[in-house]
Amino acid sequence: EAQVTQNPRYLITVTGKKLTVTCSQNMNHEYMSWYRQDPGLGLRQIYYSMNVEVTDKGDVPEGYKVSRKEKRNFPLILESPSPNQTSLYFCASSLSIRRERFPYNEQFFGPGTRLTVL
Amino acid sequence: RKEVEQDPGPFNVPEGATVAFNCTYSNSASQSFFWYRQDCRKEPKLLMSVYSSGNEDGRFTAQLNRASQYISLLIRDSKLSDSATYLCVVTYALGSARQLTFGSGTQLTVLP
Repeated sequence: EAQVTQNPRYLITVTGKKLTVTCSQNMNHEYMSWYRQDPGLGLRQIYYSMNVEVTDKGDVPEGYKVSRKEKRNFPLILESPSPNQTSLYFCASSLSIRRERFPYNEQFFGPGTRLTVL
Repeated sequence: RKEVEQDPGPFNVPEGATVAFNCTYSNSASQSFFWYRQDCRKEPKLLMSVYSSGNEDGRFTAQLNRASQYISLLIRDSKLSDSATYLCVVTYALGSARQLTFGSGTQLTVLP
C-alpha cells in the first residue's frame, strides 16, 4: 500500500531531551516536507527536501533539524525541545514540486505525530 | 496579514443543506489552488483542484476568481460524512519549485 508513515504517533517528553520523529514513504517521491499544525494557525512548513541531500527551511525552522540521506526517509530532529514545540506534526511527500512538472503533484500526508513537551 | 485566509467557522448545517466556503489569498502570483479535507485528528487529504473555469466533482463545486483573489467551495446536499475541516491551499513559485501555503481551515459540522 502506498503510504507515508510516521513514528511515533504520540510522544510526551520533557524540555531539553533530544528526540527524533521518523518519516518514511514508499512511493519513490522526490519531495518531502514537515509541517506543524496549531489551532488557529493552520499548517506551517518547517523544512522541506526536493531530493536526496537537498533540504531547505520552510516558514518555521527554528529549533528543528532534518536530514535526507535516503530518498524514502526524512527524519525531523528536535535537539532541545521546548514547550512551544508542543504541536501536531505532519510529514508529507509528493512526486515533485519542480515548476516544470505540470500538473501539480498531490501531497500525501502521514498520519501525524502528536508531541507534548513538558 | 495571512497569505491565505479562511473563515474558521464552525459552520453547523442540517443534512441536505447547501453550504459554501470562501478563501482569499494575498499573493497575486499564486499559481494553483486546491481544497484539502481534514477529518478530526487525521491527516489532510486532497479533495479537489480548483481550475480557472470552475469545476465540479459530484456534490462539490470549486471556483476561482483571480481578479478578486479568492476561491470557493460549494457543497450541495450535505451528508453527515461531509463533517470535517476544509483547508484552502495555494501554490506559488519559489525559485525552481512551487511551494504550498495552507489556510487555517473552515470547520463544517453536518447535523442529522
